[in-house]
Amino acid sequence: AQKVTQAQTEISVVEKEDVTLDCVYETRDTTYYLFWYKQPPSGELVFLIRRNSFDEQNEISGRYSWNFQKSTSSFNFTITASQVVDSAVYFCALSDKAAGNKLTFGGGTRVLVKP
Amino acid sequence: DAGVIQSPRHEVTEMGQEVTLRCKPISGHNSLFWYRQTMMRGLELLIYFNNNVPIDDSGMPEDRFSAKMPNASFSTLKIQPSEPRDSAVYFCASRRWLETQYFGPGTRLLVL
Repeated sequence: AQKVTQAQTEISVVEKEDVTLDCVYETRDTTYYLFWYKQPPSGELVFLIRRNSFDEQNEISGRYSWNFQKSTSSFNFTITASQVVDSAVYFCALSDKAAGNKLTFGGGTRVLVKP
Repeated sequence: DAGVIQSPRHEVTEMGQEVTLRCKPISGHNSLFWYRQTMMRGLELLIYFNNNVPIDDSGMPEDRFSAKMPNASFSTLKIQPSEPRDSAVYFCASRRWLETQYFGPGTRLLVL
């Protein structure tokens, strides 16, 4: 069965520190997609990134970077030099054929960046 | 392009009343999803449509919940009668086939 585990429920850092959010997934499919979404205190769900299972290249977008490792079934997310505006709940999600290409979400990690 | 549009943004109602939530997906998207988010249960998929046809409604809690998609640009989620335990944030999302889901701003529902 599909499963996404975000073991860290809450992380608190001081501004300018780096923070890494862990995401471990389970799927039997060879073709699947992984996502990260951000939910700021205002409540909306904002798409951050989508990766397919055949592309293991790490990606960097500004202060955000993602490390995809199929060998450990992980898709970790790092915020470099965190800012107060990064305070949010971050969700990792999986989409695969076995689940009808629906999104399976992890439980989310709340990041609190203190000034 | 406009994103996913949901209305109302906030709804307060009394137990037993009918509640209708509305969603306009992004133009050109052919899949639409309804989710519910609560502290206790996190994000739950209620139902989704492909090309206006309901594909999987296994997440709909009970018969009090119903969803329709009469055309490609409009969907409703109805709760009748509403109960306090239905209080949650309801999200609508849409996507092109197999691409990224984009979420609306959500409807915050409080049933007293």
